[in-house]
Amino acid sequence: DTGVSQDPRHKITKRGQNVTFRCDPISEHNRLYWYRQTLGQGPEFLTYFQNEAQLEKSRLLSDRFSAERPKGSFSTLEIQRTEQGDSAMYLCASSLARGWEASTGELFFGEGSRLTVL
Amino acid sequence: AQSVTQLDSQVPVFEEAPVELRCNYSSSVSVYLFWYVQYPNQGLQLLLKYLSGSTLVKGINGFEAEFNKSQTSFHLRKPSVHISDTAEYFCAQITTSGTYKYIFGTGTRLKVLA
Repeated sequence: DTGVSQDPRHKITKRGQNVTFRCDPISEHNRLYWYRQTLGQGPEFLTYFQNEAQLEKSRLLSDRFSAERPKGSFSTLEIQRTEQGDSAMYLCASSLARGWEASTGELFFGEGSRLTVL
Repeated sequence: AQSVTQLDSQVPVFEEAPVELRCNYSSSVSVYLFWYVQYPNQGLQLLLKYLSGSTLVKGINGFEAEFNKSQTSFHLRKPSVHISDTAEYFCAQITTSGTYKYIFGTGTRLKVLA
């Protein structure tokens, strides 16, 4: 078990460019979450998947953001036409959903992908 | 909408002194609460969680938290802190509206002074 891994760890881009982040969850975990964290704030929910199905997407997420989890394994988060306000740490987390405990399982976080938009 | 409130953005404390980090949650039929810690340049790690049962929950590294339904609080405590406890601490609650989002507070930065 190598934990949740995210790539790249750091990304610097110019305004208007597209960026894509990848998350590899713990292998047997069927739930995968994306959060965004800015300085001095807690993680802000973006979206989450149960296997390959995207079950919820935050209303704060503009249509420039899209996430996928093909085959229910790794996930990608793409930001199109980046803006300076997109600069943040993007966190991925996974958990194992199994029965009642499914809703109360521990989230395992990756170390995050830091995006800087110039 | 459910929300988690952490009233203190920063808490400085001397080494070996006790500390309490405050957290208030949104009242709900079912309440599931967590404390996570984030060390510099690391991902968030679970400290402890409350799902049901005993209102006093013990976690890793000597931390504990008490679930108080009447005050809708879940304060984190440690009787004697170490320099290594310097980190950001986040309180979180799971939404119970049919989806399983984890809602986080804004965090409390604990700085342990020598």
